[in-house]
Amino acid sequence: SQKIEQNSEALNIQEGKTATLTCNYTNYSPAYLQWYRQDPGRGPVFLLLIRENEKEKRKERLKVTFDTTLKQSLFHITASQPADSATYLCALESGGSYIPTFGRGTSLIVHP
Amino acid sequence: DAGVIQSPRHEVTEMGQEVTLRCKPISGHNSLFWYRQTMMRGLELLIYFNNNVPIDDSGMPEDRFSAKMPNASFSTLKIQPSEPRDSAVYFCASSSRVTEAFFGQGTRLTVV
Repeated sequence: SQKIEQNSEALNIQEGKTATLTCNYTNYSPAYLQWYRQDPGRGPVFLLLIRENEKEKRKERLKVTFDTTLKQSLFHITASQPADSATYLCALESGGSYIPTFGRGTSLIVHP
Repeated sequence: DAGVIQSPRHEVTEMGQEVTLRCKPISGHNSLFWYRQTMMRGLELLIYFNNNVPIDDSGMPEDRFSAKMPNASFSTLKIQPSEPRDSAVYFCASSSRVTEAFFGQGTRLTVV
């Protein structure tokens, strides 16, 4: 069966450090992968999209990698700030469906 | 554009009552999604519309759930009769195919 796995344990890091979140998947052949941020009581907000033929994508302090051989994406936030504290979800589409299917998300807590 | 607009923001209803959730997608977007989010199951797709036509409703839990999209600017999700296990946050999202999904603020449904 298809699975999207994100670490269910919260990631606690110190301000200024780099946060790295992982998204692993099985039985998918996604054409692209997306990362979203969700704050309590709000809907997910899109951050980055990376296509299957791209190894890496950057946006300001954010960096996403996509390894279709390992079936894994890594999401990095450099120089993290307390304001980066949120839940981060990865989403994949399946077989050209254009339907984002979401992982459970990982909570990031950045301590001042 | 004001973004995806959902109403109501909160709904408390008694078991057995009919509940209708409403969504206004972003103008020009041709894809609309209804998701349900719970602590146990994360963000699950209920139904996907493309150009107002239901394309994938495999996530609709049972016949008590129904969704309509009578035009490009309005969609409803109805639960009749409601049950306590339907308590969750329901999100509507819209997109223009291979781009990010824009989420509404969600409707927090509590069935007592």
